[in-house]
Amino acid sequence: GQQVMQIPQYQHVQEGEDFTTYCNSSTTLSNIQWYKQRPGGHPVFLIQLVKSGEVKKQKRLTFQFGEAKKNSSLHITATQTTDVGTYFCAGPDGTSGTYKYIFGTGTRLKVLA
Amino acid sequence: AAGVIQSPRHLIKEKRETATLKCYPIPRHDTVYWYQQGPGQDPQFLISFYEKMQSDKGSIPDRFSAQQFSDYHSELNMSSLELGDSALYFCASSDDAGQEAFFGQGTRLTVV
Repeated sequence: GQQVMQIPQYQHVQEGEDFTTYCNSSTTLSNIQWYKQRPGGHPVFLIQLVKSGEVKKQKRLTFQFGEAKKNSSLHITATQTTDVGTYFCAGPDGTSGTYKYIFGTGTRLKVLA
Repeated sequence: AAGVIQSPRHLIKEKRETATLKCYPIPRHDTVYWYQQGPGQDPQFLISFYEKMQSDKGSIPDRFSAQQFSDYHSELNMSSLELGDSALYFCASSDDAGQEAFFGQGTRLTVV
């Protein structure tokens, strides 16, 4: 079945440093979504990328979808303590349609003040 | 704005008991997803519904069943509970498949 892996699994950064998490799918994705889950919270939708090579920005966050639509990245510039949480990418299972989203393994970010 | 409502928020059951988790999606959302998240794990897809019909199944045990009712709320029924079923169960809804999914606060199930 489809697998979605993320690296790194954990990342500790000093406040103000940049952070990047990478998402790799075993299959081509029609689109990819990114979610953030704060400790003790629920996943919150951040963005969806659809086009090959697409780049989207949300303030300090930059999202990129690979040309082959099998990988994606999330880059945070100048991290803040409010960025703490686990970042998940999620892609639809292409074999069964778009009703089944497979979450990546997640990257847990800790920001040290 | 209305969000996805899940009940109960916390549930403690004994092994071999039955549990029912409820989810009320955002009004006019036609797709509901159920996920299971163990401690430190990523959300695992269980099952989804589109317009009250089951659309996809993931790693949902045979002991679990789910349905979506005419008012679009969904229930996850879990029988013969095992210790390993202890987890956070999230329900999410979206306006059409493949769109932004809004997650509920989750139900924390503890099986003792």
